[in-house]
Formats: sequence, C-alpha cells, structure tokens
Amino acid sequence: QSVLTQPPSVSAAPGQKVTISCSGSSSSLGNNYVSWYQQLPGTAPKLLIYENNKRPSGIPDRFSGSKSGTSATLGISGLQTGDEADYYCGTWDSNLGAVGFGGGTKLTVL
Amino acid sequence: QLQLQESGPGLVKPSETLSLTCTVSGGSISSSSYYWGWIRQPPGKGLEWIGSMYYSGSTYYNPSLKSRVTISVDTSKNQFSLKLKSVTAADTAVYYCATLHRLLDCFDHWGQGTLVTVSS
Repeated sequence: QSVLTQPPSVSAAPGQKVTISCSGSSSSLGNNYVSWYQQLPGTAPKLLIYENNKRPSGIPDRFSGSKSGTSATLGISGLQTGDEADYYCGTWDSNLGAVGFGGGTKLTVL
Repeated sequence: QLQLQESGPGLVKPSETLSLTCTVSGGSISSSSYYWGWIRQPPGKGLEWIGSMYYSGSTYYNPSLKSRVTISVDTSKNQFSLKLKSVTAADTAVYYCATLHRLLDCFDHWGQGTLVTVSS
C-alpha cells in the first residue's frame, strides 16, 4: 500500500477544471512538503508542483497546488486533451524515513 | 540543463544482482544541490522510491528494500549506480534515475527510464 492515497481516476471535459486529492498522515503530509508529477503515456514523470504550491519554470499556471493539514490537492484548469496522463503526489514520511508516493490518478479528458 | 541517462542490462536472472548506472551531463555530481537516486515503476503500477545518495556519501534507502540495495557515486565519471541483489520477478520494473533537490524536496530531473525484466 502507498504512503499517500489518491483516487484511481478522474475525468472532465475539455476546458473544465479538475482536482486530484492526495491524503496522508501527520508524519507525511502533516509535516512535509508535497510535490506533484505528471506522467504522460510511455514517458518519465515530470515535476509539476513543488513545496505544496510552486511551479517550476515552464509549467503553465493552469496547474495549481495546495495543502491543508494532512491533505493536498492538485488543480488543473482549462483542461486540454494533452493533459491526459497519470498524476502522482509525493512527500517524505518522517516515521518511515522514506520518500512516499501516492498510487497515481489517471486523468481522462472526455 | 541537467540530463540523466540510465544504462545497464535489460534482463536479469532470478537470484542475481541487478546493476544500473546513471550518467549525469550538464552538471556536476558533486553539486551540493542534489541527492542522486533511483525510483522504479512495475508495469502498470505506481512509483516506488528505492533510495538516494549525496555525493559525499550519505545514503537514504527505502526500508522495504534496504537489505538488498546499494547506491554509489563515482565523481570521476560523473555517474551514480544502483545494485539490487537477490532479485525476483517482483523486481521487474522500469527503473528511473532522478535528482532529489535538497532544498526543494522534489524530484526535479528524471532519466528516461530503463526496463529491467527478471526472468530465467
């Protein structure tokens, strides 16, 4: 089982907004930053969000992140078909002494 | 721009040792900004962190794999390596090398990944 819990799948129409949740514990999200990764089919993951809500250069502001307590959320607005991918959250778990990821969420743009 | 490239055998026999190398270009492996590490992804499944190492020698391993894993850094070649011993079919996965940014707490550079199959 994963350190973080994500819904297996989400879907929305082009142009709409979708949110992906990521749930952890006091030893994981409760005390550490969350980062988010996008994995397009057949490619390596790519950093989307770091330190809960910051975007690396080149990531459009359609992607946003937030964290409250032991939960985090990735938001994607103005959905495009090119956003269809698997999305993963990740953090450090202080009790386990390990990096943990969520199980991943498959985004379908209908 | 930092670039990472994995290399190594694509097929390993059960009970043997999986060995992979990641070559770093566009930057120095002696950089104080990064931990150098490995993440794997079994076919059709999610990401699993294997471990990360600072160039000076500090290492952090996934407790579930710690007894079988060694990560090392070769500063002269600007490379770092993964050894996973006593492999089974459950170790079949795409293996990614990646940088863990020390200050930003995220994996900001990834290699393209290499599929390693454990089979006789």
